[in-house]
Amino acid sequence: AQSVTQPDARVTVSEGASLQLRCKYSYFGTPYLFWYVQYPRQGLQLLLKYYPGDPVVQGVNGFEAEFSKSNSSFHLRKASVHWSDWAVYFCAVSTGNTGKLIFGLGTTLQVQP
Amino acid sequence: NAGVIQTPRHKVTGKGQEATLWCEPISGHSAVFWYRQTIVQGLEFLTYFRNQAPIDDSGMPKERFSAQMPNQSHSTLKIQSTQPQDSAVYLCASSSGLGVEQYFGPGTRLTVL
Repeated sequence: AQSVTQPDARVTVSEGASLQLRCKYSYFGTPYLFWYVQYPRQGLQLLLKYYPGDPVVQGVNGFEAEFSKSNSSFHLRKASVHWSDWAVYFCAVSTGNTGKLIFGLGTTLQVQP
Repeated sequence: NAGVIQTPRHKVTGKGQEATLWCEPISGHSAVFWYRQTIVQGLEFLTYFRNQAPIDDSGMPKERFSAQMPNQSHSTLKIQSTQPQDSAVYLCASSSGLGVEQYFGPGTRLTVL
């Protein structure tokens, strides 16, 4: 069955430091992968998306992610974190034919001054 | 573009009462999805429509939950005889097709007392 695992429930980084949030997926076939961010009391906002092609995809606000088929991973990265990046980040895989998203449990990013 | 609109933003019901949640998708989007978000279960797919037709309701609880899309401009999620375990944030999303990114509304926070 398709699934997404985000192994880190919480990540704390200092402002200005680099960031990597991990995502592992289980999917039979070619996955469509997404990272969403959720700020308090808001819906989910799309950060970036991967469709089959270039494994490194660029998103909004300096975020990027790299798809690895061999590792079944889609890790999110940012070179320099800002305090406004404090939020919950969700990795998701689309089941292609149906389009429904399967989400990981999310990673809360805390930014220290 | 106003994005996906969900009303009400908050709803409080007593146990056994009915709750109807509304979603207005982005104009021109052909697919509408409903998800439920709780602390324990995370984000769960409930159901989705394509061109107003119900396609997949595999995530819907078999009893008390129903969803409709009477026209292309809105969808409703109805919960009959609400129970405390139905308390959650219900998110609606729309997309222009399958396998592509979904755009989420702000959600409706349902609290069942």
